[in-house]
Amino acid sequence: DTAVSQTPKYLVTQMGNDKSIKCEQNLGHDTMYWYKQDSKKFLKIMFSYNNKELIINETVPNRFSPKSPDKAHLNLHINSLELGDSAVYFCASSPRTLEDPFGGNAEQFFGPGTRLTVL
Amino acid sequence: DAKTTQPPSMDCAEGRAANLPCNHSTISGNEYVYWYRQIHSQGPQYIIHGLKNNETNEMASLIITEDRKSSTLILPHATLRDTAVYYCIVGGSQGNLIFGKGTKLSVKP
Repeated sequence: DTAVSQTPKYLVTQMGNDKSIKCEQNLGHDTMYWYKQDSKKFLKIMFSYNNKELIINETVPNRFSPKSPDKAHLNLHINSLELGDSAVYFCASSPRTLEDPFGGNAEQFFGPGTRLTVL
Repeated sequence: DAKTTQPPSMDCAEGRAANLPCNHSTISGNEYVYWYRQIHSQGPQYIIHGLKNNETNEMASLIITEDRKSSTLILPHATLRDTAVYYCIVGGSQGNLIFGKGTKLSVKP
């Protein structure tokens, strides 16, 4: 029944490792997002995909690579993890379409978050 | 950077209306105002959005000034479960949300 789900909920790993976070939405939305919330609680967008195509790529290290196998899934793979990657990562989906550029249909539904701790 | 300004914190008595202000003086004509809240590290939750007219749904009411430079989110009967950080956001042109620091609302018994 969960609209936007993420796995795992918690992820503890060592520096230098590679890890993935998975996200799935069952809302039939075309657009999905990844956000990062750091220790100061600032929530910033990282990526956005519309129907499997990348449409937003903020200034994020290329160690972060999103992958969208279909429009219901947007996974986040992180290579060579660093201490500064520790944060809560939220996935979101939206009924937004590219034909509505000013965000009139941009309400987003967020997943529960994945707390990543890099030791 | 966020296009909105909100007070960092507010208190509200349980059962009373909570009125959360937001300034967005640089808003463009076609940009919407969105409100979200985040309860204790859960994922942000959509509340309401509007363009020019006042809006109401089962969660809240949104009052937008005629010049659209500010708005107020109203929770008509605040409960303890409404304690959260409330974010006022002007919709980005690519649909991305630019979160500011928000207002930490504390509902007290």
